[in-house]
Amino acid sequence: GAVVSQHPSWVICKSGTSVKIECRSLDFQATTMFWYRQFPKQSLMLMATSNEGSKATYEQGVEKDKFLINHASLTLSTLTVTSAHPEDSSFYICSATGTSGGPGFLAKNIQYFGAGTRLSVL
Amino acid sequence: GQNIDQPTEMTATEGAIVQINCTYQTSGFNGLFWYQQHAGEAPTFLSYNVLDGLEEKGRFSSFLSRSKGYSYLLLKELQMKDSASYLCAVRNTNAGKSTFGDGTTLTVKP
Repeated sequence: GAVVSQHPSWVICKSGTSVKIECRSLDFQATTMFWYRQFPKQSLMLMATSNEGSKATYEQGVEKDKFLINHASLTLSTLTVTSAHPEDSSFYICSATGTSGGPGFLAKNIQYFGAGTRLSVL
Repeated sequence: GQNIDQPTEMTATEGAIVQINCTYQTSGFNGLFWYQQHAGEAPTFLSYNVLDGLEEKGRFSSFLSRSKGYSYLLLKELQMKDSASYLCAVRNTNAGKSTFGDGTTLTVKP
């Protein structure tokens, strides 16, 4: 249980285009989802926290108009990088915490991570 | 804010025991996590401590002292596949956010 699916795993795009990354909780209800960015050999930097049905809370220094987050349902959150530029190239990772929507145990407070999306902007 | 410190790199020998330390300063402590991250992959959960003491899970154990702002991850019977980055993360009561340390890159040698 507690599987988070993130797609795509790798995307290459031209500068100026927009890229959408999806994060889905497959077997639990993700009441909160987190979006991180990680540059090579650096730690995870939290970009924003989103709760289902409400606006995302962005960390200081993260442009909300550039990184659009939608958490429309208890199983899906999306991050759209608008007008991507080469400096946006990074590893983007989502994680989720929540409650079990079915049988099985879901450890409270544990963040379950998606596999990450490697974005390369040319 | 939160300050999390852990060593940048460690090296150990296959079959040995290694301890990775993490110190933190935070307001509103609500748990400490250890994650393992292999290069190019997402982190995977290893352990969670919210009360003082030792939590043991197979070859991995994690210890917490809230009064000292200190935790360690202990890896026993090291295997080559344990070569990875180990991230210490502190959860804050504010919206349940966790702040991650910079990670400790562990290299296990034969």
